[in-house]
Amino acid sequence: ETGVTQTPRHLVMGMTNKKSLKCEQHLGHNAMYWYKQSAKKPLELMFVYSLEERVENNSVPSRFSPECPNSSHLFLHLHTLQPEDSALYLCASSQDRPSYGYTFGSGTRLTVV
Amino acid sequence: AQSVTQPDIHITVSEGASLELRCNYSYGATPYLFWYVQSPGQGLQLLLKYFSGDTLVQGIKGFEAEFKRSQSSFNLRKPSVHWSDAAEYFCAVGANYGGSQGNLIFGKGTKLSVKP
Repeated sequence: ETGVTQTPRHLVMGMTNKKSLKCEQHLGHNAMYWYKQSAKKPLELMFVYSLEERVENNSVPSRFSPECPNSSHLFLHLHTLQPEDSALYLCASSQDRPSYGYTFGSGTRLTVV
Repeated sequence: AQSVTQPDIHITVSEGASLELRCNYSYGATPYLFWYVQSPGQGLQLLLKYFSGDTLVQGIKGFEAEFKRSQSSFNLRKPSVHWSDAAEYFCAVGANYGGSQGNLIFGKGTKLSVKP
């Protein structure tokens, strides 16, 4: 399998649940990103990992916890989310930073009830 | 700081008509420029990119874009739109150095509708 794969594609969770989003890239890239895309809002950069180290955390609430165990995998752990956290969560990867362009996954559609 | 402006939130064109989506950027040096397309419920797919050289860039699906430094623009064009082109289009700018400035900055997107 090539490209960037995100699982699950859809997730419905209660506000007291704990769940994780997974992203896997098979491109040999060394930087990975989490974006949040809400209706009528621009893409919001959440986290950046470069060479498996978190290099950026854009004031994201602590109920979102990223993990990058190796250069091919990225997780977003979720707990005690709010309904306003419902959105499309996109993972992307790139070769090196600066940005020569990102490859995106298809996203996880998250609904918090 | 870098920024990207896509002035048109929503555009409707007839199938077979030509298309131009506008993108203006703010950046102090020569930027890296990108156009992405997103179908409903999907991720973003790269259409084309500009790093240097020829200012007219060809991409996938018959799209092209022209970098105009004097106008700080990178408009996307297609001579004849197909119904399958209906989607949301995002312009992005990146820096040629690392750090947080090395992240891509995305515009708010332009939604394209195609009428028969």
